[in-house]
Amino acid sequence: KAGVTQTPRYLIKTRGQQVTLSCSPISGHRSVSWYQQTPGQGLQFLFEYFSETQRNKGNFPGRFSGRQFSNSRSEMNVSTLELGDSALYLCASSFMGGAQEAFFGQGTRLTVV
Amino acid sequence: ILNVEQSPQSLHVQEGDSTNFTCSFPSSNFYALHWYRWETAKSPEALFVMTLNGDEKKKGRISATLNTKEGYSYLYIKGSQPEDSATYLCAHRGRGSTLGRLYFGRGTQLTVWP
Repeated sequence: KAGVTQTPRYLIKTRGQQVTLSCSPISGHRSVSWYQQTPGQGLQFLFEYFSETQRNKGNFPGRFSGRQFSNSRSEMNVSTLELGDSALYLCASSFMGGAQEAFFGQGTRLTVV
Repeated sequence: ILNVEQSPQSLHVQEGDSTNFTCSFPSSNFYALHWYRWETAKSPEALFVMTLNGDEKKKGRISATLNTKEGYSYLYIKGSQPEDSATYLCAHRGRGSTLGRLYFGRGTQLTVWP
């Protein structure tokens, strides 16, 4: 059974650009969540999607957005990149969310220069 | 914001030693507590999901306990091996509108020396 797949694994962007990250969940999973990890910080919740609807949103500026497609694949977009957006972005999938186990991808390492 | 604290921040032990870490979380509005093991350059690996006060879970040499009334969980590793070296994360999930989000601690980084 394939795990959670995130693409690309590494990305270098320039300040002011925008970026799109992709997450393919485990087959059959309908909940996809996104997290950001910056140096010295724990994983910070960005948003959760379930059946193409955003169900939860963390405390991030509007430059961070996402969406989920009918096949449960999710994309995360960051517009007008800032140096502080340099981070590891992880997505996690679970069947329904809630108390169920969430399975993580390996993440996308974004560097903004 | 729900503060999840983990201690110690890092731990160095010899192979064969047993060790334990602590995760503390707000006891109100509790729904679930997750433990993850995260090796460098890999995905965080789910270890346990615990929901009931007094829960004890075990997977091989690793076990965990949960006290929801006082807001803490312990993770134990018996007879540590070098392959146990990783960062161990706990995450709290609350009820209601925040059900879909996990609040993570900063982790305990374990190094096991041969």
